[in-house]
Amino acid sequence: AQTVTQSQPEMSVQEAETVTLSCTYDTSESDYYLFWYKQPPSRQMILVIRQEAYKQQNATENRFSVNFQKAAKSFSLKISDSQLGDAAMYFCAYRRAQGGSEKLVFGKGMKLTVNP
Amino acid sequence: DSGVTQTPKHLITATGQRVTLRCSPRSGDLSVYWYQQSLDQGLQFLIHYYNGEERAKGNILERFSAQQFPDLHSELNLSSLELGDSALYFCASSVGLYNEQFFGPGTRLTVL
Repeated sequence: AQTVTQSQPEMSVQEAETVTLSCTYDTSESDYYLFWYKQPPSRQMILVIRQEAYKQQNATENRFSVNFQKAAKSFSLKISDSQLGDAAMYFCAYRRAQGGSEKLVFGKGMKLTVNP
Repeated sequence: DSGVTQTPKHLITATGQRVTLRCSPRSGDLSVYWYQQSLDQGLQFLIHYYNGEERAKGNILERFSAQQFPDLHSELNLSSLELGDSALYFCASSVGLYNEQFFGPGTRLTVL
């Protein structure tokens, strides 16, 4: 079974600084997707960024970028120029690319605090 | 706003009771997923429906059941409720089987 691990339960960053959130996963599949979701205090789950395993290029969305290391099964999220609105729970998630269940498998999450 | 709606937003009930959570997917989406978020278990997949048919089951208790109706809305039924069922229940929808999942705002269930 696939598992996703977020080993840091909490992190803090100063406004305008850069922070990196770590995630590792375990799978025997060769094709899959990885995601970072943000959950602010409103509890809404918001997709931040996605990465297809077959793509070598790391995904980027504005201030958010990932470092995808397939061999190491590592998928970290870098937030640049942190803003107060970035404060939230962040969840790393895995999903198979085809065949079987299309469910998302989530890590335990990490609480990010942004200090002014 | 993701376009996925869930009702009710909050639900408070007693142990042993039965409740129904409702989800309306985004227009055109055929897939509906249910997830449970609790403090001890984190975010867990419960069940997936695609175009009215059950597609996959996760760690869903036998006391829980779900269905997807012809108009594609879905309901999650929770019965013989226990204190440990208190959680945030999310519905997510996607166009097909391997497309991005969009989450609803969730239903907060409190069992007293």
